[in-house]
Amino acid sequence: KAGVTQTPRYLIKTRGQQVTLSCSPISGHRSVSWYQQTPGQGLQFLFEYFSETQRNKGNFPGRFSGRQFSNSRSEMNVSTLELGDSALYLCASSLGAAPEQFFGPGTRLTVL
Amino acid sequence: KNEVEQSPQNLTAQEGEFITINCSYSVGISALHWLQQHPGGGIVSLFMLSSGKKKHGRLIATINIQEKHSSLHITASHPRDSAVYICAVYKTSYDKVIFGPGTSLSVIP
Repeated sequence: KAGVTQTPRYLIKTRGQQVTLSCSPISGHRSVSWYQQTPGQGLQFLFEYFSETQRNKGNFPGRFSGRQFSNSRSEMNVSTLELGDSALYLCASSLGAAPEQFFGPGTRLTVL
Repeated sequence: KNEVEQSPQNLTAQEGEFITINCSYSVGISALHWLQQHPGGGIVSLFMLSSGKKKHGRLIATINIQEKHSSLHITASHPRDSAVYICAVYKTSYDKVIFGPGTSLSVIP
């Protein structure tokens, strides 16, 4: 079975721009979660989607949004980028009923 | 005080040593997850625990729900075990996951 894939792997943007990151879960997994990892804050939960619905949300501003498609693929969007948004963005998928998550390689976003 | 704490923060060991990494939490949880993150960012799931003990190869994880504490043990450590080990707890009803700050392990040949 293929693992979780994320595209792109690296991204450089400037302040004020917006960005869309993509995550393809393991086949059969219906839950996709997104996380932000920074040296200062560690790993933080952004949101979780299950069957195209946002099931949980972390404490991030509305500039961070996401969606999930019928094939369980998920996208995350960040609008009006700030320097502090520079981070590794990880997605993880799970079956949904069982919480064990499988992580993708991450997208490293740099905001200049 | 953070809801999930890990100790030690950094650990250097000689190859072959027995290693213990601790995770303490202050919230009610449904499950606890041990993760391994190698340089470059990739995260690997090691164990998901809700009670007792699990073993996989040289890795052993235990959890004591009453004491709100979990340990990850590595027997006969090897340089390829060098990574950051992260403890994550799933709060009741799995509606929120909280990550510990991680323990950076370096195993020297």
